[in-house]
Amino acid sequence: DIVMTQSPDSLAVSLGERATINCKSSQNVLYSSNNKNYLGWYQQKPGQPPKLLIYWASTRESGVPDRFSGSGSGTDFTLTITSLQAEDVAVYYCQQYYSTPYSFGQGTKLEIK
Amino acid sequence: QVQLQQSGPGLVKPSQTLSLTCAISGDSVSSNSATWNWIRQSPSRGLEWLGRTYYRSQWFNDYAVSVKSRVTVNPDTSKNQLSLHLNSVTPEDTAVYYCARVIGGDGWFDPWGQGTLVTVSS
Repeated sequence: DIVMTQSPDSLAVSLGERATINCKSSQNVLYSSNNKNYLGWYQQKPGQPPKLLIYWASTRESGVPDRFSGSGSGTDFTLTITSLQAEDVAVYYCQQYYSTPYSFGQGTKLEIK
Repeated sequence: QVQLQQSGPGLVKPSQTLSLTCAISGDSVSSNSATWNWIRQSPSRGLEWLGRTYYRSQWFNDYAVSVKSRVTVNPDTSKNQLSLHLNSVTPEDTAVYYCARVIGGDGWFDPWGQGTLVTVSS
């Protein structure tokens, strides 16, 4: 099974500043036949289900602000939020869909400093 | 726009069976280009994928090893919904349960159901 590990567990960033969340997979999630990384990012606010932000590691879901971006390949990935807004306070999760059982990181709680 | 509406009891007694349904609108449980999944979330286990059902000329199921002996995910084509049955529950099965769609084979979860908090307690 693929284990996903995020860092840090929590993060406090000032409004307008950059937030960076890291995700590491225990196995490669880059599928060589199509050169795609099977990695997504989600945002979860209290009382709500996770909301898809990024898929294929770097493709922004429709309607997601362009201050959210994803990068990385293979086993190391990053979610970056430039110019943090108050509404970005949430828990963020990475998820691999390279193989079942699909698995998530433990989450990174993002707060305002 | 695809929407998933969950229903089911919020309290289940230990050793009994947890049963939830997920009604689908805007897509079909019999779609050849989607899979239908159950995921749960608890403070102790985080987000945990439980299993899926999907149709590719016949029905298939996959389950997480952690629950494989206790879980069933079934499609109901007449009502365009899927169900989750988890038997022999213990307090460790207390969690928020979500249904979610994946487009294609392996992919991201979108959309999600609204979530159902299920508490296992006598």
